[in-house]
Order: sequence, then structure tokens, then C-alpha cells
Amino acid sequence: DAKTTQPPSMDCAEGRAANLPCNHSTISGNEYVYWYRQIHSQGPQYIIHGLKNNETNEMASLIITEDRKSSTLILPHATLRDTAVYYCIVRETSGSRLTFGEGTQLTVNP
Amino acid sequence: GAGVSQSPRYKVTKRGQDVTLRCDPISSHATLYWYQQALGQGPEFLTYFNYEAQPDKSGLPSDRFSAERPEGSISTLTIQRTEQRDSAMYRCASSPQAKPQETQYFGPGTRLLVL
Repeated sequence: DAKTTQPPSMDCAEGRAANLPCNHSTISGNEYVYWYRQIHSQGPQYIIHGLKNNETNEMASLIITEDRKSSTLILPHATLRDTAVYYCIVRETSGSRLTFGEGTQLTVNP
Repeated sequence: GAGVSQSPRYKVTKRGQDVTLRCDPISSHATLYWYQQALGQGPEFLTYFNYEAQPDKSGLPSDRFSAERPEGSISTLTIQRTEQRDSAMYRCASSPQAKPQETQYFGPGTRLLVL
């Protein structure tokens, strides 16, 4: 799997947009970018994924650069319940394992 | 079922004992994954099943670890002769198929403590 690089921690004010960056400069053409998050001791929760185009769902937006070497997860109006570790994952084309890195600890402050 | 379930939720055992963990995936999901998560770390892949086949078990840390899914639904992860370093959260996930665009749905995990 392509290696991803994320900042270890970020802070965001409640109600503001949280923009979480991820670098994946060695991504290959048919690898997907996935974002999961893990709230405290719960199991990882799927957020969003994309291949080339920007994606949006009820939870977040995913912006992938044209060269696909980086992406940004956007939580448009962060709440205290969005405090979690966010993992950016580039998924191998065989479709089996998810390789979790260190992730970004996002803390949403009141 | 409505989601992935795992049992037991907590397991305390003595070093040298064998333990078996169970995962019940979302019904009709073909693919089932096992991950190990140490405290403060992200989950690490152990193995996965596509129905009853086990195409990849490269993440199993030693031959003391084994997994089964004999009927393509429920799976068990067995750790023989447990060691203290096996203490971790063991997470199971399932997805409809083993394709790169498929989402994995995680269960609540089994926390194993080896004394």
C-alpha cells in the first residue's frame, strides 16, 4: 500500500470547518483513498472514499488533488462528537487489508 | 444481523492458555477481516476470508495464531499458548466483497489481557 503522511494532531473550534490533510505521493493510478475515524475505544468508522474526483456525503467532503498525491478531508461544521483519530488510508488494488497509519488526533474545542 | 458482533467483549487469561475469539459478520457479507490493535496504535491487519477461503494470512504474527471460517459466516481467531505481548484489542470487520471500493464495517472488538 502507498504510505500516507498525516499531522499527528489538530485542533478545531466547534462549529468551524475541520480540514484534515493527507499526503500520499506514491499512490498508484487505481488505488482508492479512504478515510476512517476512531472515537475513543470504539471500532473504526468509515467516513468517505474516492478515486479521482471530489466526493461528498452526509458526514464529510473529500478533496483529492489533480495529481492525486494528496487529499483533504473536510468536516464542514465540526461538533464535539467529531473528536477522534482520523485515518487516511490508501487501499491496495487487491482490495483486502486496510493499512492504518498513525492518524490525526482531531480535538474539537467548545 | 444489524452489525458486526464479537464475543467475548473482554477476556482475561493466564500466560500459556489458549483463547478463542468469535466474530459474527453482517449477514450476507462475503468478506471478513481480523485486525489487532495495541493501545494507542491503529489497527494492524492479521488475516481475511472470502467466504470460507483464506487468501491472505500474512499478518498473523506467529504460528500460535490461527483463524477459521468453516461455513463462510461466523469466524474464530484462536491464539495458542498466549503470551503477554498478545494483549491487545482484536477487531473484526466485514464487507460485502473483497474489492478496493468496498467499505469495511468494524465490530466492537474483544479486549484480551494476558497475565
